[in-house]
Amino acid sequence: EEQLVESGGGLVEPGGSLTLSCAASGFTFKHYAMTWVRQRPGTGLEWVATITRDAFGTYHAGSVMGRFTISRDNFKNTLYLQMNSLRAEDTAVYYCARGRGMSGQYIGAFDIWGQGTMVTVSS
Amino acid sequence: DIQMTQSPSTLSASVGDRVTITCRASQSISNWLAWYQQRPGKAPNLLIYEASSLESGVPSRFSGSGSGTEFTLTISNLQPDDFARYYCQQYERYPWTFGQGTKLQI
Repeated sequence: EEQLVESGGGLVEPGGSLTLSCAASGFTFKHYAMTWVRQRPGTGLEWVATITRDAFGTYHAGSVMGRFTISRDNFKNTLYLQMNSLRAEDTAVYYCARGRGMSGQYIGAFDIWGQGTMVTVSS
Repeated sequence: DIQMTQSPSTLSASVGDRVTITCRASQSISNWLAWYQQRPGKAPNLLIYEASSLESGVPSRFSGSGSGTEFTLTISNLQPDDFARYYCQQYERYPWTFGQGTKLQI
């Protein structure tokens, strides 16, 4: 079964740091671009960051640019999101998701999602 | 950034009905549009990609159409499981953006 499992969420103080992980199984991880999407409580979905399958390309939303960094380890079949300088407005459920296609814009539709991990930024 | 606007925000319907949700992009996105269904407390589920392609395993009562700036998701013969929230998303250019969502309620 193709599966993504996030971990690493929790409570952190404003200005703090957290690293999220997303473990992939059931498919060839290195063949797919991966993305983080978040959902603030009671609101809609927000794209956060994407990394190409070879990790040569990374793209971040303006709201997290310079604070968050997406990365991956294709040997460990794991996706990461390093989050620094956290703010209250970063409080959300963070989902990792697999790009449906192999490259180009085809990676922009997400066919496999994790269950999400909650990040709460509060003092 | 490309703004995605869905209408309506809330839609009331009954089992067996046919409903349509509209998504408008602030500029042309060709056919780079996806539709997702999200049930409370669950991750989103891909329904439609490239505006009109049905994702594997998704019932054929779901269909998508449109190109450029206007798109629709149509659900025929509504089933109880279909009452959920629906989002459109453009992936023509970064930052990829989602619509605000449409709640389909009984």
